[in-house]
Amino acid sequence: ETGVTQSPTHLIKTRGQQVTLRCSSQSGHNTVSWYQQALGQGPQFIFQYYREEENGRGNFPPRFSGLQFPNYSSELNVNALELDDSALYLCASSLPGDRVEQYFGPGTRLTVT
Amino acid sequence: AQSVTQLDSHVSVSEGTPVLLRCNYSSSYSPSLFWYVQHPNKGLQLLLKYTSAATLVKGINGFEAEFKKSETSFHLTKPSAHMSDAAEYFCVVSGPRQGQKVTFGIGTKLQVIP
Repeated sequence: ETGVTQSPTHLIKTRGQQVTLRCSSQSGHNTVSWYQQALGQGPQFIFQYYREEENGRGNFPPRFSGLQFPNYSSELNVNALELDDSALYLCASSLPGDRVEQYFGPGTRLTVT
Repeated sequence: AQSVTQLDSHVSVSEGTPVLLRCNYSSSYSPSLFWYVQHPNKGLQLLLKYTSAATLVKGINGFEAEFKKSETSFHLTKPSAHMSDAAEYFCVVSGPRQGQKVTFGIGTKLQVIP
């Protein structure tokens, strides 16, 4: 069984640029969530996708957007990067349903200079 | 609205002694509660979860947690710490429905002294 994978592992961008992060869900999981983990903090929920539609969102501005594809892989796009966007971005997949646990990928470390 | 408070940012124990990591929550719903562990340079791993069934929940690696509604607590315990338990631990609360916001605590760093 393949776990959750994310690419790239590290990324450096300049303020104002745009970035796309990618995630492949664990086999059989059709729900994916994205989180931002700043240094020394707990992960913060960005949004969740189910059946290719956004299914829930945290307190993040619209410049954070996502996509989910028919094979359940997913992208996180961030426009107009700010210095505070520097963080570890985590993807988590899960089976559909209520009260289910999530399986996390290793994350993408984004540095904005 | 929901929130989670991990009462200790750092906990230090000697190998072989009990571990207690404290977590309090607030939620407008009947919450789901989870504990995750994060080892350095590794992904988050689920330790255990509470989903409105038994209040005493057993997880992996000898960890367990007790849901106490009257105290709004979900503390994580282990009878005997092992060196491999050194990591960061996160208490997590979410609503009962898929897609509802998931809230992580700030984390507790567990140090195990040989």
